[in-house]
Amino acid sequence: DAGVIQSPRHEVTEMGQEVTLRCKPISGHDYLFWYRQTMMRGLELLIYFNNNVPIDDSGMPEDRFSAKMPNASFSTLKIQPSEPRDSAVYFCASSFRSRGLLIQNEQFFGPGTRLTVL
Amino acid sequence: EDQVTQSPEALRLQEGESSSLNCSYTVSGLRGLFWYRQDPGKGPEFLFTLYSAGEEKEKERLKATLTKKESFLHITAPKPEDSATYLCAVHPNQAGTALIFGKGTTLSVSS
Repeated sequence: DAGVIQSPRHEVTEMGQEVTLRCKPISGHDYLFWYRQTMMRGLELLIYFNNNVPIDDSGMPEDRFSAKMPNASFSTLKIQPSEPRDSAVYFCASSFRSRGLLIQNEQFFGPGTRLTVL
Repeated sequence: EDQVTQSPEALRLQEGESSSLNCSYTVSGLRGLFWYRQDPGKGPEFLFTLYSAGEEKEKERLKATLTKKESFLHITAPKPEDSATYLCAVHPNQAGTALIFGKGTTLSVSS
């Protein structure tokens, strides 16, 4: 398996523009997570899905952020309009929960998208 | 409020100089504690999962231990290739709750 795939790897845009980040999880995984990482705040969970359904979006900063998962093999995180304070590395991760267990298994992270908003 | 605190923020070691990284947590209940390694420019890579106090796991020069309030990542005789940021995360005992990550400890090992 190729692991979690994210695109683009780097994105530079101007304030006010729309940004779309993409993620392909590992086949067979039923959880998908979007994180944002900055030096100041570390790794923050934005939203996560289970079986393509959003479960917890309390980490989404504001209405400018939206995420979708139209099928089990694809998810997007959109920022519209983008602002300089959105500059960060955005990670997608996937995992699965073994039947009968309360805890999810370890998360596998993608390589991240480094977003710079000028 | 569930919280994860890692210390120190940064640690510099000489090759062969053993040490420990700390992860203290405050959660209503713990389903599991995870350790990850992150290299610059890459995503976190899974190392260990610990489920209950007293549990220990080892991998090469790394050993993770867990108590009811904290976890330690012991590094024995480190090498320069062990240089990375080590992240700790907890899975609280609440339905539907995802992992809570600490801010990490950045380890530098010089030869």
